[in-house]
Amino acid sequence: GENVEQHPSTLSVQEGDSAVIKCTYSDSASNYFPWYKQELGKGPQLIIDIRSNVGEKKDQRIAVTLNKTAKHFSLHITETQPEDSAVYFCAASMWNYGQNFVFGPGTRLSVLP
Amino acid sequence: KAGVTQTPRYLIKTRGQQVTLSCSPISGHRSVSWYQQTPGQGLQFLFEYFSETQRNKGNFPGRFSGRQFSNSRSEMNVSTLELGDSALYLCASSLRDISYMNTEAFFGQGTRLTVV
Repeated sequence: GENVEQHPSTLSVQEGDSAVIKCTYSDSASNYFPWYKQELGKGPQLIIDIRSNVGEKKDQRIAVTLNKTAKHFSLHITETQPEDSAVYFCAASMWNYGQNFVFGPGTRLSVLP
Repeated sequence: KAGVTQTPRYLIKTRGQQVTLSCSPISGHRSVSWYQQTPGQGLQFLFEYFSETQRNKGNFPGRFSGRQFSNSRSEMNVSTLELGDSALYLCASSLRDISYMNTEAFFGQGTRLTVV
C-alpha cells in the first residue's frame, strides 16, 4: 500500500522567512495530494492541494510543487507569520478511488517573532 | 455555510463499553470519511461512506463500524473499547461528483475519546 514520508518533523523559522516541507510517496498510482494545517484543539484545515496533471499550484503565500518522476511533493510558505505556526500534514490518494488519504507524520512549524 | 459538525466533542468511556460518534457533513456533501488520530500512529483512515454505502475501509478491526443515513449524516461505532482506542476521531466530508472523482475534503473538529 501507499506510504508517505514527511520531513522535517519540526521546523523553526523567523517571521518573514520562507518554510519548506517535503513529502515522498511510494505508490505511483497516487494522483491527488492535499496539504492540511492543524492548530491545537482543531481539526485539519485544507490549505492547498494538487493533482498529478499539474506541476505547481500557488495560492497567495502558499505554493505546492509536485515531481511525479521522483514521487515527491513540497509545500512552500513565503513571508511566514506567527499565525502560520501549526502542524502541517501532507497526504496522498488516488483521485478516483476515494477519500482514503494516507497522511504523512506531520511537521510542527514554529514561526518566531 | 456551516462546516462539518462532530458530536460529542469529548467522551470518557470505560474499557469494554461501546461508543457511538456522530458526524454531520457540509450541506450538499455526499461523502463522509472517518480517521483516527493518535500521537503514535498519526492520522489513519478508518472508512468512507458515500450514498449510504461503505466505499473504502482501512486496516482496523471489526470492532470499528459505521453507517451513513439518507441525509448524509454518519455515525461510527466502536464496540468493546480498549485503552488503545483513546484518540481523536475525525470526520471529513467531500462533495464528490457523479463519477466519484475525489474533491476537496473538509474536516470537523473531532471527538476526543478517552478510554479508562
